[in-house]
Amino acid sequence: GAGVSQTPSNKVTEKGKYVELRCDPISGHTALYWYRQSLGQGPEFLIYFQGTGAADDSGLPNDRFFAVRPEGSVSTLKIQRTERGDSAVYLCASSSGQVGGELFFGEGSRLTVL
Amino acid sequence: QKEVEQNSGPLSVPEGAIASLNCTYSDRVSQSFFWYRQYSGKSPELIMSIYSNGDKEDGRFTAQLNKASQYVSLLIRDSQPSDSATYLCAVKNAGNNRKLIWGLGTSLAVNP
Repeated sequence: GAGVSQTPSNKVTEKGKYVELRCDPISGHTALYWYRQSLGQGPEFLIYFQGTGAADDSGLPNDRFFAVRPEGSVSTLKIQRTERGDSAVYLCASSSGQVGGELFFGEGSRLTVL
Repeated sequence: QKEVEQNSGPLSVPEGAIASLNCTYSDRVSQSFFWYRQYSGKSPELIMSIYSNGDKEDGRFTAQLNKASQYVSLLIRDSQPSDSATYLCAVKNAGNNRKLIWGLGTSLAVNP
């Protein structure tokens, strides 16, 4: 596809469970970002990849959150021992890397922790 | 003081009017500025980027940057009901990191 693809679009899970969210960026985009957004808030930065490496993971809230991008394309955000406060829309964005702020977002994965 | 500030709104304008959205930022060495539009239940979509002082026009949209006063604005001419959305201002600071600093967004309602 031409755009950023995220799966699942909707995930409902129980407190304490493990969750994986997947992002397939625009082909050729070297930079990939994970954000999360709660209602009425701006996007909250989580982590940024340049190629395969996490160039900046300062936004990950705690060690329950982890993200990988092993081949420099698809990325997976992993959340262990989910808590109700993790409920949000998780947004993935990619960019060509030429400019640091022109991001193309996927439609997001809405996570609900019961 | 928040790093990027926007009035939350809602800003309500009649169809055909000019909508003016404002954003101020605190880091004087900020380099790049972006406006994203977000419809309810959808993801942000880039509509304008601006890097130097002055105006940048794209169709009905004009971005204005004033680095001395540390503000960036977005004007929407001939506002349409389809422009009703939340407009997010994002700023990229100096340095090699590519992290954007986001405002909370201004909700715009264009009334037919």
